[in-house]
Amino acid sequence: DAMVIQNPRYQVTQFGKPVTLSCSQTLNHNVMYWYQQKSSQAPKLLFHYYDKDFNNEADTPDNFQSRRPNTSFCFLDIRSPGLGDAAMYLCATSGSSLGGRSYGYTFGSGTRLTVV
Amino acid sequence: KQEVTQIPAALSVPEGENLVLNCSFTDSAIYNLQWFRQDPGKGLTSLLLIQSSQREQTSGRLNASLDKSSGRSTLYIAASQPGDSATYLCASPLVNDYKLSFGAGTTVTVRA
Repeated sequence: DAMVIQNPRYQVTQFGKPVTLSCSQTLNHNVMYWYQQKSSQAPKLLFHYYDKDFNNEADTPDNFQSRRPNTSFCFLDIRSPGLGDAAMYLCATSGSSLGGRSYGYTFGSGTRLTVV
Repeated sequence: KQEVTQIPAALSVPEGENLVLNCSFTDSAIYNLQWFRQDPGKGLTSLLLIQSSQREQTSGRLNASLDKSSGRSTLYIAASQPGDSATYLCASPLVNDYKLSFGAGTTVTVRA
């Protein structure tokens, strides 16, 4: 089945130690997103790629970076994780048909990041 | 900026009762509206996608309506089951924007 896959499901990292989360998709959608979700809150958009064009949200800390080497893969790099960065990180894709009909958003299962 | 509100924040019903979840949005220039389900500690699962030109979508026991003029969408779940217990989120991007605006969600508990 076409899907969005996130690895790993759980990640434990040390305070200040760089960590990378990965996302892959088989949907061939041109837009990929990274969201941060903390307990009992709605997901918060960090940034998105429209094809290779990177779009950062104004309030996303510089500590968060992203790479999209090709259509299928997207990475979230946290350069120096702090305790406040512990959260669920969700990758999502969206696309539309040539006629403009939206396929909606498809989310991965998420990566739960713990900072110790 | 789009504001999405979901009422109620939490709902507890006995098994078999029909569920009605409400979502309202401030800007009617939406591209589409999507309902998601989220189980604790898991990602978001898409339930229904309503294109801006549509009035409703149905899948099994689920039915979602969309009224852009009043800025409302409603998710109906018929004959609820304990397995329906989860948080339900509605979200919508504006036309010419890719960003989803989320509601805070409605947490549903279906009692056996």
